[in-house]
Amino acid sequence: DVKVTQSSRYLVKRTGEKVFLECVQDMDHENMFWYRQDPGLGLRLIYFSYDVKMKEKGDIPEGYSVSREKKERFSLILESASTNQTSMYLCASSTEGLRETQYFGPGTRLLVL
Amino acid sequence: SQQGEEDPQALSIQEGENATMNCSYKTSINNLQWYRQNSGRGLVHLILIRSNEREKHSGRLRVTLDTSKKSSSLLITASRAADTASYFCATGETSGSRLTFGEGTQLTVNP
Repeated sequence: DVKVTQSSRYLVKRTGEKVFLECVQDMDHENMFWYRQDPGLGLRLIYFSYDVKMKEKGDIPEGYSVSREKKERFSLILESASTNQTSMYLCASSTEGLRETQYFGPGTRLLVL
Repeated sequence: SQQGEEDPQALSIQEGENATMNCSYKTSINNLQWYRQNSGRGLVHLILIRSNEREKHSGRLRVTLDTSKKSSSLLITASRAADTASYFCATGETSGSRLTFGEGTQLTVNP
């Protein structure tokens, strides 16, 4: 079974803090994704990566950056957390293509105070 | 703008009944997928149907795709309380490089 893990299930941070969300997949997938999920807005793509050190902006990249130094790990960074970044963050990976089946982690619920 | 839009937004049925959810989209697609999300958890892939397919089955799930109407439906037969979850459609657009998710249908199956 594909396993995608995220470093934290719940996280509470203060405004202005730098926040790191880690995602690890164990199936040697080329593609990895970061989404945020908000009520009434569905899932929105923040960034994705199709190879080590490669990254592409999604629909809402502002205020975020990413890092992919190793194939299995994709990190989402909030440079200076703000209250409007309070959300559920979901990581996913896929192997067959960017539009093919994605495997999701359990999510990180982030609260920024 | 949202590519996939699910209908209804919420659905409540009794155990044993069938549940039907619909998804409409706007542009040409390569495939359409359905995912399930239990409360507070990640999404789980259920089924993928390609643009040249009309119907697909997986266990109690039946998915149809009508590309002329740009719509898909997910049927869950003989529903169980454990089917209670949010269901999302996601489209792989022909011209795009990623999936676009709808806002989901919240299904509640009452025991």
